[in-house]
Amino acid sequence: QKEVEQNSGPLSVPEGAIASLNCTYSDRGSQSFFWYRQYSGKSPELIMFIYSNGDKEDGRFTAQLNKASQYVSLLIRDSQPSDSATYLCAVNFGDYGGSQGNLIFGKGTKLSVKP
Amino acid sequence: DVKVTQSSRYLVKRTGEKVFLECVQDMDHENMFWYRQDPGLGLRLIYFSYDVKMKEKGDIPEGYSVSREKKERFSLILESASTNQTSMYLCASSGTGILAKNIQYFGAGTRLSVL
Repeated sequence: QKEVEQNSGPLSVPEGAIASLNCTYSDRGSQSFFWYRQYSGKSPELIMFIYSNGDKEDGRFTAQLNKASQYVSLLIRDSQPSDSATYLCAVNFGDYGGSQGNLIFGKGTKLSVKP
Repeated sequence: DVKVTQSSRYLVKRTGEKVFLECVQDMDHENMFWYRQDPGLGLRLIYFSYDVKMKEKGDIPEGYSVSREKKERFSLILESASTNQTSMYLCASSGTGILAKNIQYFGAGTRLSVL
């Protein structure tokens, strides 16, 4: 059974702090990893993806992947109230087309950034 | 920019009605997906398709069917709507190949209420 686990939160951080969101996955064969942000009542939007070990940075966002420990994390620096949303982690357990292209989503972590 | 368009943002239907949810993508993507999202349950895959006229069951296909007559359009059909199908429905699409790497892009969602 392929699973993606996230702490549901809510995670509350003060404005300007670093928010750290974590995700664990069950299959060592996982190929690619995605973070989506979902505002209340809206659809998920992709914010970052990562394919190999190590860190990937994009502005205030950093995704970290540790394949040996089977976890991926998202760091948000200088958190803003506008970052308040639910963050979904998604993992691709195969690769490319057909059913191999499917993503397994975690249930999401709700982040609240307090002014 | 990838655009995934869902035909309705809000829909109210009566129990027993046949309901059609339409999704169109403009990126020539091979893969298309229908999810439903409910509080506490996360995103659940209903059906997906990786080619025209192809369809595969996801995790919760019961009570639903799909149609993909053209590459850009993927329709979800509720044959006889029931109250337990009240939910947010999300359509997504993804390409294949090294560059696309299974990134899923979502439509705005359809909030369906069955009375």
